[in-house]
Amino acid sequence: GIQVEQSPPDLILQEGANSTLRCNFSDSVNNLQWFHQNPWGQLINLFYIPSGTKQNGRLSATTVATERYSLLYISSSQTTDSGVYFCAVSNDYKLSFGAGTTVTVRA
Amino acid sequence: DAGITQSPRHKVTETGTPVTLRCHQTENHRYMYWYRQDPGHGLRLIHYSYGVKDTDKGEVSDGYSVSRSKTEDFLLTLESATSSQTSVYFCAISTSGGQETQYFGPGTRLLVL
Repeated sequence: GIQVEQSPPDLILQEGANSTLRCNFSDSVNNLQWFHQNPWGQLINLFYIPSGTKQNGRLSATTVATERYSLLYISSSQTTDSGVYFCAVSNDYKLSFGAGTTVTVRA
Repeated sequence: DAGITQSPRHKVTETGTPVTLRCHQTENHRYMYWYRQDPGHGLRLIHYSYGVKDTDKGEVSDGYSVSRSKTEDFLLTLESATSSQTSVYFCAISTSGGQETQYFGPGTRLLVL
């Protein structure tokens, strides 16, 4: 399957800071999604972004498919942004997930 | 949340016993998935279904079977549970062919003693 590497593995932020999370993948994909898992374990889809750039409030994402990476930007972080962020990719029905980036936002 | 429920939400069982987890959706999506989540591994696909009675294996299917007799229900069975199957199990649906967004259920926490 497709290998997915996320960096950094852990990130500690002060409230109000900006950050960038990275996802590298080993093969061409036609599906790339970013998810947030909150501290209660719920998985929320943030973006479906196989290519290009999207924004949703303080979050935005960019995927450069030809170079096999995607970036997730968090601006003006809030404590509610804490949790684990997963990147997942696919070139068929089956998503392959990275190990995640654990984000802790301190007040 | 795309109308996805999982039952039970928590289960403790003993090694060697059979366990069935249920995923139920209310929106008639064709594609359904079972994942397991373990520390350091993200989520890994166990089995998926692309229609009633149409299922296929994922990355970590050994020791698991699935059934889908109607659109709304996707069952995951551990025929003889082992301690290595202690995990959090998530069901998901996708709105079409895996090419769009996947939505996840709340998860089932399974402990095999």
